[in-house]
Amino acid sequence: AQSVTQPDIHITVSEGASLELRCNYSYGATPYLFWYVQSPGQGLQLLLKYFSGDTLVQGIKGFEAEFKRSQSSFNLRKPSVHWSDAAEYFCAVVGSNQFYFGTGTSLTVIP
Amino acid sequence: DTAVSQTPKYLVTQMGNDKSIKCEQNLGHDTMYWYKQDSKKFLKIMFSYNNKELIINETVPNRFSPKSPDKAHLNLHINSLELGDSAVYFCASSPYERRGTGELFFGEGSRLTVL
Repeated sequence: AQSVTQPDIHITVSEGASLELRCNYSYGATPYLFWYVQSPGQGLQLLLKYFSGDTLVQGIKGFEAEFKRSQSSFNLRKPSVHWSDAAEYFCAVVGSNQFYFGTGTSLTVIP
Repeated sequence: DTAVSQTPKYLVTQMGNDKSIKCEQNLGHDTMYWYKQDSKKFLKIMFSYNNKELIINETVPNRFSPKSPDKAHLNLHINSLELGDSAVYFCASSPYERRGTGELFFGEGSRLTVL
């Protein structure tokens, strides 16, 4: 069965520091993977997606993610975090024509 | 123009009441969804419609009934509201592809509070 695990419930980083959010997936075939961001009181917005090809994917707002098949991972990274990046981040895998979301990682950015 | 719009954004009501949430998308997508996000932020799919046809119907109480008058609209009606129905309900749409590779476009959510 398809599933996504985000091991970190909550992460705190200082503004300007680098960020890595972890995501592990379970899927039998080649996965289609997504990262979404949810700002407080808002809907989810797509950051980036991976279907095939280059395993390093660039997204909006300076985010990138790397697909590692051997580790079943799709970790999200940003070299320098801004205060406006404070939000909830969701990883998702598509299977059986529907999305399976992780439980989310809440990011706090301190000045 | 808002791509996926939901109304109302906030809904506070008493137990036992019936309420509806409306959703409209102007993206021309074939598929629309309802998701429920609980207090722990967990997102769970409830229903999916493709061109007005129900294609995903997860284990959801019969009190929840989706209705899609056309492919641009997907409404959610809830009968006999219970405390546990309190959550944020998100509507989403996507272009239909066989493996559902189209990304999801979300509305801003409708926060339902049942007292």
